[in-house]
Amino acid sequence: EAGVAQSPRYKIIEKRQSVAFWCNPISGHATLYWYQQILGQGPKLLIQFQNNGVVDDSQLPKDRFSAERLKGVDSTLKIQPAKLEDSAVYLCASSLGRGVAGRTDTQYFGPGTRLTVL
Amino acid sequence: AQSVTQPDIHITVSEGASLELRCNYSYGATPYLFWYVQSPGQGLQLLLKYFSGDTLVQGIKGFEAEFKRSQSSFNLRKPSVHWSDAAEYFCAVGALMNSGYSTLTFGKGTMLLVSP
Repeated sequence: EAGVAQSPRYKIIEKRQSVAFWCNPISGHATLYWYQQILGQGPKLLIQFQNNGVVDDSQLPKDRFSAERLKGVDSTLKIQPAKLEDSAVYLCASSLGRGVAGRTDTQYFGPGTRLTVL
Repeated sequence: AQSVTQPDIHITVSEGASLELRCNYSYGATPYLFWYVQSPGQGLQLLLKYFSGDTLVQGIKGFEAEFKRSQSSFNLRKPSVHWSDAAEYFCAVGALMNSGYSTLTFGKGTMLLVSP
């Protein structure tokens, strides 16, 4: 079974530039997550999709970050414009998303995209 | 709000020695608990999880963890560490959000170094 795919693996940009990350979840997984992992920290959830709808984006800096999951499969996370503090690893994860409230699905993670903002 | 504390930022263990990584959580309801491992430049790999039932759970690569409700802990153990176990280890708690869906809150991680 193929895992979660992400691209690119590395990206270096200047501050105020734009950047986009792509994620392809495990086939059949309804729930998709984007996390930000700053060096020395654990992953922090940015946004969670159930199929193509957003269920939690409370920690997404909406003035500069946006994400979409068209057709309920692939997802794109965009930063525009980037700031120095956005330097981090961006992880995508997916889970079956059985839809039972309160049930915590097991999340499977991709390799991440390491973003450096200069 | 839920939280996870991993009190040890770094741990060094000799190869072949036993290992215990500490994890304490805070959550008002029955927790779902996870341990993930992250090798350099890689994503997170699930080692094991606790949802209910037997409080001693077995995972991959010879790891196990014990859920102790009275201590709000979920410590990870391995009887004999191999050099390939050197990595960063994250404990996480699953919690129900206002959306009706659940999400994970991670600790800050413990970096395991293995000495020859």
